[in-house]
Amino acid sequence: DIQMTQSPSTLSASVGDRVTITCRASQSIGSWLAWYQQKPGKAPNLLIYKASSLESGVPSRFSGSGSGTEFTLTISSLQPDDFATYYCQADSFGQGTKVEIK
Amino acid sequence: EVQLVESGGGLVQSGGSLRLSCAASGFTFSRYWMYWVRQAPGKGLVWVSGLNSDGSSTRYADSVKGRFTISRDNAKNTLYLQMNSLRAEDTAVYYCARLVFSYFDSSGYPTDWYFDLWGRGTLVTVSS
Repeated sequence: DIQMTQSPSTLSASVGDRVTITCRASQSIGSWLAWYQQKPGKAPNLLIYKASSLESGVPSRFSGSGSGTEFTLTISSLQPDDFATYYCQADSFGQGTKVEIK
Repeated sequence: EVQLVESGGGLVQSGGSLRLSCAASGFTFSRYWMYWVRQAPGKGLVWVSGLNSDGSSTRYADSVKGRFTISRDNAKNTLYLQMNSLRAEDTAVYYCARLVFSYFDSSGYPTDWYFDLWGRGTLVTVSS
């Protein structure tokens, strides 16, 4: 099974900051990676698929990159609505990265 | 409106059974692979079981194999998860999710997949 490891587990940032979350796969997965945002008490919401494709309706401040075993999710300018937990997913999900208010 | 709505969660004793349902609307349910994904309190996401569009091919996580059964009724646009021999570690919010994928691998399973539509979830609590 392919294991997904995210870093950091928690990230403290301020509104307007550029934020980057990393996801590493235990073996190469090509460009097969998705990113989700989850707010407390809510279902996950798809942000990015195929590593860099933005899901319809998702703000353009979100972007994804990478291939093989290393991937990143970048929020170009953090907004109040972006404080949430983010998960990467290939065959399984990463453990999540919580983005907190600094 | 395109949506998935889960139901059937609740409190059950260890060793008991529960049947979850997921009602789909706003899209052609019979064309999609569907999955159940769960999230234990304060923990991450784990896919539990998946089912192909006509109900003939299933996938199960090792942790539920032999205890859970996924099924669907395309005439009713509904996905089910029959959960037997429940354990405390099955306590979680169970989400129904729609799968999108690129192609089938040599075993006939989807590859390059992700979930583009999720329900709100239903809470299952197993008391020991």
